[in-house]
Amino acid sequence: GAGVSQSPRYKVAKRGQDVALRCDPISGHVSLFWYQQALGQGPEFLTYFQNEAQLDKSGLPSDRFFAERPEGSVSTLKIQRTQQEDSAVYLCASSSIVARGGEQYFGPGTRLTVT
Amino acid sequence: AQSVAQPEDQVNVAEGNPLTVKCTYSVSGNPYLFWYVQYPNRGLQFLLKYITGDNLVKGSYGFEAEFNKSQTSFHLKKPSALVSDSALYFCAVRDVQAGTALIFGKGTTLSVSS
Repeated sequence: GAGVSQSPRYKVAKRGQDVALRCDPISGHVSLFWYQQALGQGPEFLTYFQNEAQLDKSGLPSDRFFAERPEGSVSTLKIQRTQQEDSAVYLCASSSIVARGGEQYFGPGTRLTVT
Repeated sequence: AQSVAQPEDQVNVAEGNPLTVKCTYSVSGNPYLFWYVQYPNRGLQFLLKYITGDNLVKGSYGFEAEFNKSQTSFHLKKPSALVSDSALYFCAVRDVQAGTALIFGKGTTLSVSS
């Protein structure tokens, strides 16, 4: 079946611009995660949704970062007034049974470059 | 605080030889442990996980990992490496009592030579 998809795959933004990154999770997966992966590092947690509810946003680095999942399926990560330190790969993951140790399935990521 | 350590940035092994990629973790509660593999320009692919039960878990592509509670380790192993196993490997932990997010190590690049 179809996996997690993300768009765009690559995004170049000038410093100060706003960007929106989209994630389409696996159909039926109630849990959705966003991670940020800097070059040469492992992914770092940003935020977590269960259906449309954002249950954990403790990893969002600043109030410039905002995520939503209004209908419990597609999610959008928005970054306002982008800064160079925002340059990274943004990964989306979904899972069906997080509570019982279900694995997360990752999308290919969006590589954001802020110039 | 939760953390994962992958002490080797790179592991080199000849094709046909056994391989081990090391991982140690720190959590305050019980751990769920995972291994993922990342190929260039592709997302993370799930390999295997430890939730409970048998300490030796088997996963995709012939990989296995052993959970050692006393040493807080979860090393990834394969009896006979293939050139196609060359990739970036990430160990991740989730503290069952502390939330749902995965905490990842920095990754280990595995290079298998022919």
